[in-house]
Amino acid sequence: DTEVTQTPKHLVMGMTNKKSLKCEQHMGHRAMYWYKQKAKKPPELMFVYSYEKLSINESVPSRFSPECPNSSLLNLHLHALQPEDSALYLCASSQGEVYANYGYTFGSGTRLTVV
Amino acid sequence: ILNVEQSPQSLHVQEGDSTNFTCSFPSSNFYALHWYRWETAKSPEALFVMTLNGDEKKKGRISATLNTKEGYSYLYIKGSQPEDSATYLCASLNSGGGADGLTFGKGTHLIIQP
Repeated sequence: DTEVTQTPKHLVMGMTNKKSLKCEQHMGHRAMYWYKQKAKKPPELMFVYSYEKLSINESVPSRFSPECPNSSLLNLHLHALQPEDSALYLCASSQGEVYANYGYTFGSGTRLTVV
Repeated sequence: ILNVEQSPQSLHVQEGDSTNFTCSFPSSNFYALHWYRWETAKSPEALFVMTLNGDEKKKGRISATLNTKEGYSYLYIKGSQPEDSATYLCASLNSGGGADGLTFGKGTHLIIQP
């Protein structure tokens, strides 16, 4: 298995809803990442997990809450989002430490719309 | 805040022609430079990871060079084919003091015209 799987592919949620995005990989990668991409902008780093521990939080609002229950799974819990949070959310993983010389393997993303 | 700049933003190239585009990145605390190809409705796919000044990597008709002292990388595509149409993203990995994950540029959107 050489893929990162993200579910759901599309999500529409209201501003009072609670939802979760899921990311899974079975490549034995020990670093996992959440990126957010808005139209015509580069992907922006949100969170980095290294060996199942949160190592980087790029000043992301608390309405986004990451969780890494095990080495294969990364969740992003969403609560009380705003319409401006609508974006493509990309998950990625990489072999070894954050600074290792390996390319990232990306999922195809979850397209989130907040109404 | 790290800035990674790519140019041009978009590019139309005739099938069979060769092309190249640029990525500029901060040279301070540099660790690695990544290139990705991102086709519509698919996942970004890693092309190259380069770390050493003067590095040159090749994968089929695509190659890349790296200058860490001046902070730029070039991606070259030789004999463009329609399947090369995609957005090409570069990303810089710098250590310490700020964003310690990859910082991406906006990408170069390449369209190959038959």
